[in-house]
Amino acid sequence: AQTVTQSQPEMSVQEAETVTLSCTYDTSESDYYLFWYKQPPSRQMILVIRQEAYKQQNATENRFSVNFQKAAKSFSLKISDSQLGDAAMYFCAYRRTMYSGGGADGLTFGKGTHLIIQP
Amino acid sequence: GAVVSQHPSWVICKSGTSVKIECRSLDFQATTMFWYRQFPKQSLMLMATSNEGSKATYEQGVEKDKFLINHASLTLSTLTVTSAHPEDSSFYICSAHTTGRNTEAFFGQGTRLTVV
Repeated sequence: AQTVTQSQPEMSVQEAETVTLSCTYDTSESDYYLFWYKQPPSRQMILVIRQEAYKQQNATENRFSVNFQKAAKSFSLKISDSQLGDAAMYFCAYRRTMYSGGGADGLTFGKGTHLIIQP
Repeated sequence: GAVVSQHPSWVICKSGTSVKIECRSLDFQATTMFWYRQFPKQSLMLMATSNEGSKATYEQGVEKDKFLINHASLTLSTLTVTSAHPEDSSFYICSAHTTGRNTEAFFGQGTRLTVV
């Protein structure tokens, strides 16, 4: 079974600085998706960024980028120019592709990292 | 982007009663929806996979008779917590995936259930 590990329960960063959140995972699959989700106090899950395992190029979305190391099974999230609105819980998540075994799978989440932005 | 609506956003019920939570995909059809449970300050744990027109698939340790799932249409899945007890109090979140290679999961707003 796949597992997702986030080893940083809490991180703090100064506004406008850069922070990196760590995530490692374990799977025997070769094709899968990795995600970072943001959960603000409203508890609505918001997709931050997605990476497909077959793509070697790291995904980027404006101030958010990932460092995807497939061999090391590592998937870290870098937030540049941190803003107060970035404060939230961040969850790393894994999902098999639909083509691996037919049908859609649910997500496997890490335990989350609470990101604090210091003004 | 696609929208998934979950209702109610919060509910308080008495022990022994049943509570139904609805999850609707508003602008796309979802043959599969997922139900998660989140305890305070913890992660989301997948409870079950809701399949349109067939039985739900439950994760290990989840009581299927306690958490009844019905997926009667391509846009609606319901989770019924039967004979609720205080330990069932939690935050329940549904999600639905769009299809295709660029599949993406969209989450409902979640339901906070409190059993008193």
